[in-house]
Amino acid sequence: DAKTTQPTSMDCAEGRAANLPCNHSTISGNEYVYWYRQIHSQGPQYIIHGLKNNETNEMASLIITEDRKSSTLILPHATLRDTAVYYCIVRAAGGTSYGKLTFGQGTILTVHP
Amino acid sequence: DAGVIQSPRHEVTEMGQEVTLRCKPISGHNSLFWYRQTMMRGLELLIYFNNNVPIDDSGMPEDRFSAKMPNASFSTLKIQPSEPRDSAVYFCATSQWDYGYTFGSGTRLTVV
Repeated sequence: DAKTTQPTSMDCAEGRAANLPCNHSTISGNEYVYWYRQIHSQGPQYIIHGLKNNETNEMASLIITEDRKSSTLILPHATLRDTAVYYCIVRAAGGTSYGKLTFGQGTILTVHP
Repeated sequence: DAGVIQSPRHEVTEMGQEVTLRCKPISGHNSLFWYRQTMMRGLELLIYFNNNVPIDDSGMPEDRFSAKMPNASFSTLKIQPSEPRDSAVYFCATSQWDYGYTFGSGTRLTVV
């Protein structure tokens, strides 16, 4: 699986946009980028995923660079409840690893009042 | 939709005892994953099933761990005998084809 690199921690003011970067320079052409978050003591929660194009849903936007070597998760108006660990994951493309998600250490996002 | 249901939520057991964790996937989801989370090692994939068949168990730490999925609506993760280092939160997650995973609330296991 392609390895991802994320900052260990980030801060954001409530109401402002939170931009979480992720590097995945060894990503293969048919591998997806997934984002999950984990709020304290809960199971990880799916946020968004994409292949090449930018994606948006009710939770967030995902911006993937043209060369696909990095991406940014954007929470447009962060709230205190967005404080969590955010995981950027590249999903295995096929073979016995198809569908398998390997979690790294993630980014601890702290939203301040 | 009740989501992925795990039981028990908390389990405290003595070293050497058998522990069985249970998971009921979301109806229609064809893949099921067992993860373990600790402070030191983060989230580790233990094993996953596609259409009830184990596909990759390379993350199972040792022979004391076993997992089964006898049908599409039930899976178990068993530890026998349990050891203090098995203390962790165990998550079950399910998915349908290429869509995102849905995780259960986890089972917090403490082995004393």
